[in-house]
Amino acid sequence: GDSVTQTEGQVTVSESKSLIINCTYSATSIAYPNLFWYVRYPGEGLQLLLKVITAGQKGSSRGFEATYNKETTSFHLQKASVQESDSAVYYCALSPLDTNAYKVIFGKGTHLHVLP
Amino acid sequence: NAGVIQTPRHKVTGKGQEATLWCEPISGHSAVFWYRQTIVQGLEFLTYFRNQAPIDDSGMPKERFSAQMPNQSHSTLKIQSTQPQDSAVYLCASSSGTGGSQNTLYFGAGTRLSVL
Repeated sequence: GDSVTQTEGQVTVSESKSLIINCTYSATSIAYPNLFWYVRYPGEGLQLLLKVITAGQKGSSRGFEATYNKETTSFHLQKASVQESDSAVYYCALSPLDTNAYKVIFGKGTHLHVLP
Repeated sequence: NAGVIQTPRHKVTGKGQEATLWCEPISGHSAVFWYRQTIVQGLEFLTYFRNQAPIDDSGMPKERFSAQMPNQSHSTLKIQSTQPQDSAVYLCASSSGTGGSQNTLYFGAGTRLSVL
């Protein structure tokens, strides 16, 4: 079946440093799924951060970027300079492109701690 | 727009009791999803509905879990004979339901179920 792997359960970075959160996917039901990053800030609900539906394209939001790499089946999340307010749990996710199937599969999440 | 509303926010049950969780999706959204969130497993897909019809319940434990969507304004997740391992945050989400890039999920705040 389809799956998403986030290898780091927790990442700690000092403020103003760069960040990369790894995500790889396996999509058996469809060759090029939609890819997403969702985020849950402390005290808030899970919300969409960015999405990319076309292989090779880059999505960006709030200073974060992620590139859909179909060769390596990866969708890593990057930021050049993190802020303390970026501390949150980040989830990578995929959804089949098939118009009859909207199930979204999530990774286990990566808890980002940004040190002041 | 109040977003996805989940009630109750917290529920405590004794082992063997029944728990019913409620979800009101965003008005006009045709797809409703249920997920279970735990520290160990992350976000697990349970089931989803489109236009009130059950589409995929592959994530539902078959024996004690059931979900319904009797009308377009609410869905319920029922857990019979609750067990301690059912303790988790149960998340409901809705989406507009159209294909391609429109399958962004909007999540409720979740119901934290504690089985004693």
